[in-house]
Amino acid sequence: AQKVTQAQTEISVVEKEDVTLDCVYETRDTTYYLFWYKQPPSGELVFLIRRNSFDEQNEISGRYSWNFQKSTSSFNFTITASQVVDSAVYFCALSERNSGNTPLVFGKGTRLSVIA
Amino acid sequence: EAGVTQFPSHSVIEKGQTVTLRCDPISGHDNLYWYRRVMGKEIKFLLHFVKESKQDESGMPNNRFLAERTGGTYSTLKVQPAELEDSGVYFCASSLPGTRGKEQYFGPGTRLTVT
Repeated sequence: AQKVTQAQTEISVVEKEDVTLDCVYETRDTTYYLFWYKQPPSGELVFLIRRNSFDEQNEISGRYSWNFQKSTSSFNFTITASQVVDSAVYFCALSERNSGNTPLVFGKGTRLSVIA
Repeated sequence: EAGVTQFPSHSVIEKGQTVTLRCDPISGHDNLYWYRRVMGKEIKFLLHFVKESKQDESGMPNNRFLAERTGGTYSTLKVQPAELEDSGVYFCASSLPGTRGKEQYFGPGTRLTVT
């Protein structure tokens, strides 16, 4: 069965600090996709990144970076030099390729508060 | 380009009443998904349309929930009769044709409160 665990319920950091959001997943499939979404106060889920299971290369996009490690089934998300606008709930999600469709399995989310 | 829109943004109804939620996907997105987040829990999949056909409705909690997507454009999700445990945020998402790992674009959700 698929499962995504985000052990950190809430994190508070001071502006300009770096912060890492943890994501651990479980799947029996060898081919799968991992996602991160951001939910700002306005409520919509904003797509941040998609990573397939065959690509373990880490990715950096501006102040955002993602560390994918199959050996530990983790897909962690780091924000460097955090800003107040980064305050949101962040969701990690998993999709198995061979399910015939791609419903996402979400973690419970991590609420990040960046304090000025 | 307009994103996924949902209506209403918030609905408060009494137990036993009926509520209909609407989702307008991004134009050209054949795939449409409904998810729900009950307070404090994960966002959970409800069902998936490909155009007007239900591809997967394994997440629908019971037969009080009815989803339609007539003409393959917008979708409605009706809850009849509503129960207290139906309270939560209902999200709609859409994605491009094809079903393998395409990113899903989400709407702002409809917050349903059943009293």
